[in-house]
Amino acid sequence: NAGVTQTPKFQVLKTGQSMTLQCAQDMNHEYMSWYRQDPGMGLRLIHYSVGAGITDQGEVPNGYNVSRSTTEDFPLRLLSAAPSQTSVYFCASSYNPGSTGELFFGEGSRLTVL
Amino acid sequence: DAKTTQPNSMESNEEEPVHLPCNHSTISGTDYIHWYRQLPSQGPEYVIHGLTSNVNNRMASLAIAEDRKSSTLILHRATLRDAAVYYCTRSANFNKFYFGSGTKLNVKP
Repeated sequence: NAGVTQTPKFQVLKTGQSMTLQCAQDMNHEYMSWYRQDPGMGLRLIHYSVGAGITDQGEVPNGYNVSRSTTEDFPLRLLSAAPSQTSVYFCASSYNPGSTGELFFGEGSRLTVL
Repeated sequence: DAKTTQPNSMESNEEEPVHLPCNHSTISGTDYIHWYRQLPSQGPEYVIHGLTSNVNNRMASLAIAEDRKSSTLILHRATLRDAAVYYCTRSANFNKFYFGSGTKLNVKP
C-alpha cells in the first residue's frame, strides 16, 4: 500500500495563479483532511471530508476550495494564489478518527507564492 | 491552536525518561487528546490518544490530568530516533483536529 500520496512535492506560483494540490489514499478511508503548516504555528486545519460528497470547513478555509467525488481522492484548489498561502500543505486520512484517533499523513507539498 | 500550549523545546539524555507537557485549559468534555510527532521533511506520525484515562501503547504513555486541562506524553526511555517535534492536539466532534505549536525534543547521546 502506498498510504497517502500528495502531488506535487514542490510548486512555485505567481500571485493570482491557480493550482490544485492532489491527495490520494489507498486505504479506503472515509475521512480525509488538509492542513497547512507555517513556522511556529503547528498545523492548521483547512478543510475536511467525512465521505464522498461531504466536505466541511476547518480553521483556515478562506482562499481554498475542496470537493470529494471519490473515496480515494481529495484535491485542494487555490483559485487565486496569494503570498500568504506560501506554506507546507499536508493531507491526512483516517478510517475513523473518532474511535482510532489516528490520522495518516502524506509527506507534504511545499508551495511558494511569489 | 492558541488554546493548546506546549513548551517550544526540551532536552533529554538518551535512555532517560522524557515528560512532555501540554496545556489545553479550554478543552470540552468530548474532545479527545492526541499526540503526534514529526521528523524533518516528513508528515506527522500518530503516537497516542486518550479521553480521560491514562493510556499506554508500545510507543509511549499518556497521562491525563483529572480535570483534563493538561496532559503529559511520557517516553519511557528516549533514544536518538525520538528526536522530533511533538504535537499535542485536541479533536472536536471527532473530525476537527487542533494542533498546538509543538515541542522540539533534542536527545543527547
